Amino acid sequence: EDQVTQSPEALRLQEGESSSLNCSYTVSGLRGLFWYRQDPGKGPEFLFTLYSAGEEKEKERLKATLTKKESFLHITAPKPEDSATYLCAAPSGGGADGLTFGKGTHLIIQP
Amino acid sequence: ETGVTQSPTHLIKTRGQQVTLRCSSQSGHNTVSWYQQALGQGPQFIFQYYREEENGRGNFPPRFSGLQFPNYSSELNVNALELDDSALYLCASSLSPTEDTGELFFGEGSRLTVL
Repeated sequence: EDQVTQSPEALRLQEGESSSLNCSYTVSGLRGLFWYRQDPGKGPEFLFTLYSAGEEKEKERLKATLTKKESFLHITAPKPEDSATYLCAAPSGGGADGLTFGKGTHLIIQP
Repeated sequence: ETGVTQSPTHLIKTRGQQVTLRCSSQSGHNTVSWYQQALGQGPQFIFQYYREEENGRGNFPPRFSGLQFPNYSSELNVNALELDDSALYLCASSLSPTEDTGELFFGEGSRLTVL
C-alpha cells in the first residue's frame, strides 16, 4: 500500500530560525512528489512538484529537495506568515487514482 | 480567472440524512476531484470526474456519489450520513485527469458536521 509519512507532526520556530520538514514515501513507480501549503480553514495551495532524485525547487524562503526515499522542505529565515500546515503528496496507483497525502506538518513561526 | 468555489461553506446534518455539496471548477479545467479531510489528517481521495464520468475512485463506500456537469462543475452526494462523515470536503480542479503534475487547485472546502 502506498504511504506518505511526514515528520515532525508539529514544529514551533522563532522568526529567522531555519529548519527542515521531512516527507518519506513508499510509492511504487513514483511519478512525482508534491508539496502543498494549507492555511487554517482553507484548501491546500500547490507549492512544488519534484520528479527525480537530486531535483530541487525554490520559492521565496522555501526549498524542496528529493531523494529516492524522501523529500525535504527547507525553510530559511522563516517569517510569521510562513506559519501553516505543509502537506506532501504522491500519485496513488496509476492514472486517475488521486493523490495520497501525508498528515502534514503544522508549522508555527513565532515573532 | 475564477478560482474553485464550493458551497455551502458550513453545514450541520443529523445521522441518516443526505447531503449535496457543490463545486465550480477553475476556468479552463475539465477535471474535478473530491477529497475528504478529517481533523488533523491529510486529504483523502474520494473520486475524480472527467468528461462527466467517474474515472477514478478511492476507498469510499457507494453511498458517496457524484456528478459532473457539461460546464465541468460538480456535486458530491453522501447518503445515510454517519458520524464519521464529519470532515472538510475539498473540491480540486485540474487541467487533465492524470495526477502526474500534482498541481491541483483546491477550493476552500465545505465543513460538514454530522450530529
